[in-house]
Amino acid sequence: GEDVEQSLFLSVREGDSSVINCTYTDSSSTYLYWYKQEPGAGLQLLTYIFSNMDMKQDQRLTVLLNKKDKHLSLRIADTQTGDSAIYFCAGGGATNKLIFGTGTLLAVQP
Amino acid sequence: NAGVTQTPKFRILKIGQSMTLQCTQDMNHNYMYWYRQDPGMGLKLIYYSVGAGITDKGEVPNGYNVSRSTTEDFPLRLELAAPSQTSVYFCASTERGNSNQPQHFGDGTRLSIL
Repeated sequence: GEDVEQSLFLSVREGDSSVINCTYTDSSSTYLYWYKQEPGAGLQLLTYIFSNMDMKQDQRLTVLLNKKDKHLSLRIADTQTGDSAIYFCAGGGATNKLIFGTGTLLAVQP
Repeated sequence: NAGVTQTPKFRILKIGQSMTLQCTQDMNHNYMYWYRQDPGMGLKLIYYSVGAGITDKGEVPNGYNVSRSTTEDFPLRLELAAPSQTSVYFCASTERGNSNQPQHFGDGTRLSIL
């Protein structure tokens, strides 16, 4: 079945850029998503990219998709302490059954 | 704007007890999902439903049952609670599948089986 992998932890300083990476095995996902989970809360959709796109920019967020290498990344520009959270990448198919990565904990140091 | 509402927020069960985790959404979404999130892990899909009267298994359905008698409600039932079911359970809904429509998540139910 689908496998989605992420690095577990990333630490950056406030104001720096953060890059969170994700690799996946199943290339049939029509959409790929990035979700954010703050402590004690559910997941919140940050952004998504359609599988025929290479890049999508949304304010401070940039998503890059390399379909050949099955690699997805999320770049957060000017990272703030409020960006500290766990970030999940996920792929979805026909019924939008999402397969989630293990999550990357982003720690932003002031 | 209630969105997706899960109850209870916390529960402690003894091994062998049963309980139902409630999930309701007021967005008239057809698609609903139950996930579990184990510590330090991503979400695993337990069951999902594409509309009232239709349910299907996800990755980890064993030990759980669901029903979908109305569009709004999608309860998850644990019949014989086991320690391995200690987890945080999330319910989600979306307007349609295979789309850019996001899944809306509830705040989760934290369940401990002792």
